[in-house]
Amino acid sequence: SQTIHQWPATLVQPVGSPLSLECTVEGTSNPNLYWYRQAAGRGLQLLFYSVGIGQISSEVPQNLSASRPQDRQFILSSKKLLLSDSGFYLCAWQTGGSGANVLTFGAGSRLTVL
Amino acid sequence: GESVGLHLPTLSVQEGDNSIINCAYSNSASDYFIWYKQESGKGPQFIIDIRSNMDKRQGQRVTVLLNKTVKHLSLQIAATQPGDSAVYFCAEPSGNTPLVFGKGTRLSVIA
Repeated sequence: SQTIHQWPATLVQPVGSPLSLECTVEGTSNPNLYWYRQAAGRGLQLLFYSVGIGQISSEVPQNLSASRPQDRQFILSSKKLLLSDSGFYLCAWQTGGSGANVLTFGAGSRLTVL
Repeated sequence: GESVGLHLPTLSVQEGDNSIINCAYSNSASDYFIWYKQESGKGPQFIIDIRSNMDKRQGQRVTVLLNKTVKHLSLQIAATQPGDSAVYFCAEPSGNTPLVFGKGTRLSVIA
């Protein structure tokens, strides 16, 4: 069966420090992968998505970047964090077949920038 | 632009009662909708989906109703339990992205 892993689960970082959040998917090949951010008490904002290795589409210009070095690995990064980068970051992969639009989410990574 | 939105940000329901969570959408061409449940500190989980060729779809204790005339869908939870406490999102595909999410409704179950 397919599983999705995110780490770290929680992270507290000072302003100006770098960031790396990792997401991996098991049990599938060539998945579409997504990074969403959720501010406290808010909805889900799509940040990046990738349809293949090295292919990244950015939905919102900001202080973050994404990379897909391997088929089932998706990384969210920042060179210098801002206070506004705090939030709950969710990785997701897209289910194929009859539920082609259904996203399966990871458990999330909670980032607090101080 | 086209968007999916929710009528109410919070809903409190007595345990055992039925819950109804509403969602409005603006794109009349939308043909697929999904409901997600997000418990505190966790990622959203798929609950149920519906295609525009249906008016109603039932799952285990949940029913989704779609009214294309007024561009409205609802999620009904029967015999609400404490474990149903969560934020519920409706979502629809939009353009090249798989899903656009509404802001969510927080359901609180009163024991």
